[in-house]
Amino acid sequence: DADVTQTPRNRITKTGKRIMLECSQTKGHDRMYWYRQDPGLGLRLIYYSFDVKDINKGEISDGYSVSRQAQAKFSLSLESAIPNQTALYFCATRGDSSPGEAFFGQGTRLTVV
Amino acid sequence: DAKTTQPNSMESNEEEPVHLPCNHSTISGTDYIHWYRQLPSQGPEYVIHGLTSNVNNRMASLAIAEDRKSSTLILHRATLRDAAVYYCILITYSSNTGKLIFGQGTTLQVKP
Repeated sequence: DADVTQTPRNRITKTGKRIMLECSQTKGHDRMYWYRQDPGLGLRLIYYSFDVKDINKGEISDGYSVSRQAQAKFSLSLESAIPNQTALYFCATRGDSSPGEAFFGQGTRLTVV
Repeated sequence: DAKTTQPNSMESNEEEPVHLPCNHSTISGTDYIHWYRQLPSQGPEYVIHGLTSNVNNRMASLAIAEDRKSSTLILHRATLRDAAVYYCILITYSSNTGKLIFGQGTTLQVKP
């Protein structure tokens, strides 16, 4: 099994629909992250969580919300999807101690039409 | 958060060494220098990290300047599979930080 699993891998949704992207990890890490990546650009941080009760906004949180259901699960929601949220979304997890290597999922390709 | 600056792109020939530079002039004493790479259609993967001393692992070497304001990721013999986007990022290990902010990275092209 992969260390970080994202579901779905691909999704096409309509403008105005609510959609949830799910992420689960088997590393036992407290820290989890959600990123979006647009074509030809780097990763931008949407939200991050240092434990179940600690959730923080990243660089581009507007239009998104998250839920940390358990240490292993961190979900990203688009309450009312819009076309410019079409992107590749990545979830990551990282341990607290050195080296603190981050592990990324394979990504969810979301298209909003 | 301290920022990093990398060239947008670099080219290399297969089997030759590659030196990928990164500037981080505002690095703090508690920042670790991490490198990740992203292969096409995949999530980023960890490459190497260091604090002050040069580091080697099976994937690469990391050379850190004495003043820590710059570092260089060294791929000793580039292969076609090393073509990727390489990100240099700074991570502080404390309980309330470590946002893991990525810049634009360097796109490495490897020519056969």
